[in-house]
Amino acid sequence: DVKVTQSSRYLVKRTGEKVFLECVQDMDHENMFWYRQDPGLGLRLIYFSYDVKMKEKGDIPEGYSVSREKKERFSLILESASTNQTSMYLCASSPGDIASSGANVLTFGAGSRLTVL
Amino acid sequence: AQSVTQLGSHVSVSEGALVLLRCNYSSSVPPYLFWYVQYPNQGLQLLLKYTSAATLVKGINGFEAEFKKSETSFHLTKPSAHMSDAAEYFCAVSDRSNTGKLIFGQGTTLQVKP
Repeated sequence: DVKVTQSSRYLVKRTGEKVFLECVQDMDHENMFWYRQDPGLGLRLIYFSYDVKMKEKGDIPEGYSVSREKKERFSLILESASTNQTSMYLCASSPGDIASSGANVLTFGAGSRLTVL
Repeated sequence: AQSVTQLGSHVSVSEGALVLLRCNYSSSVPPYLFWYVQYPNQGLQLLLKYTSAATLVKGINGFEAEFKKSETSFHLTKPSAHMSDAAEYFCAVSDRSNTGKLIFGQGTTLQVKP
């Protein structure tokens, strides 16, 4: 019954490496999101996408980029990983129809814990 | 702009006691409000949401929250805590656009003592 799947639960990378975090949803949702979770800071929005090939910056986009070539897939890219990007990354999706009962309700993946050494 | 403040990063209660987790929001437009729960090593699950149909919202696992516009609050309560309620709880706010962007609070860790 998994609906939002993040490809890697745990990753360890070196400073300067390029990192790809993949997220796939099977609910035909229009909206997809990448959040970063840090203790004491809650969840902070990195990027979101409301349609294929569309993306918007969230609150902390610096050092990240995203790609959405297909509706079901939303990738987060760290072009050159740094130690301050060590964190838990959460992907989520939601329907784009504001009239639906699930409007604005995010369904989350299990998270990807990234450690940058 | 919207924001959420959760009062208390850690709350500890005894099993069977009342749970009260506090959330205050700021929004220039009528908001949607949410509570999510995160169990260890898992993603977030929706507990309940407020979308203006009723100010008292009932969610899963016996939790409920009341929207108070005059106090800009959306506190989460449960009459009797269970050991399985130990988790991290997040309050979130969104506008009513179809982008579905949520702004989250800092989170409150609930500890339940036997």
